[in-house]
Amino acid sequence: DAGVIQSPRHEVTEMGQEVTLRCKPISGHDYLFWYRQTMMRGLELLIYFNNNVPIDDSGMPEDRFSAKMPNASFSTLKIQPSEPRDSAVYFCASSLFLDRTTNEKLFFGSGTQLSVL
Amino acid sequence: GQQLNQSPQSMFIQEGEDVSMNCTSSSIFNTWLWYKQDPGEGPVLLIALYKAGELTSNGRLTAQFGITRKDSFLNISASIPSDVGIYFCAGQLGNTPLVFGKGTRLSVIA
Repeated sequence: DAGVIQSPRHEVTEMGQEVTLRCKPISGHDYLFWYRQTMMRGLELLIYFNNNVPIDDSGMPEDRFSAKMPNASFSTLKIQPSEPRDSAVYFCASSLFLDRTTNEKLFFGSGTQLSVL
Repeated sequence: GQQLNQSPQSMFIQEGEDVSMNCTSSSIFNTWLWYKQDPGEGPVLLIALYKAGELTSNGRLTAQFGITRKDSFLNISASIPSDVGIYFCAGQLGNTPLVFGKGTRLSVIA
């Protein structure tokens, strides 16, 4: 399997523009997570899905952020309008289960480095 | 939300030295995990701990699940240049997503 695939790897945009980050989870994984990494706050969970359904979006910072999972093999994280403070690395991760005995199945993508000027 | 206190924030060590880092929480977890992030990549699982008091090794890495269930440590022995990266602790309680620490940035000087 190719692993979790994220695109683009890097995104540079201007304040006010719409940004869309994409993720393809590992085939067969039922759970998909979006994380944001910054120096100040480390790795923060934004939202996660189970079988394409959003389960907990309490980590989404503002209404400017939205995430969708239209099918089992694709998810997007959208920021509209983007602001400089959104600059961070955004990771997508997927897992087969959420059970504590199978944490080794949580796989991360390589991330999208977002810079909002 | 819930957060873990991970220390130190960063470390600069000489090749061959041993490294120790730890993670504490104000609440208990029933799973502790340690991940490593190489530059430009996502975190990769190093060690998983499932029982209080458990001590687990993976090559030069050793991690322990604290007896109080509120802490964990990771030791790296005889560090080498490829140990460079960010090390994250993560905790889990029940069937909930992992909570991550802010990471320890490790630099190894050859």
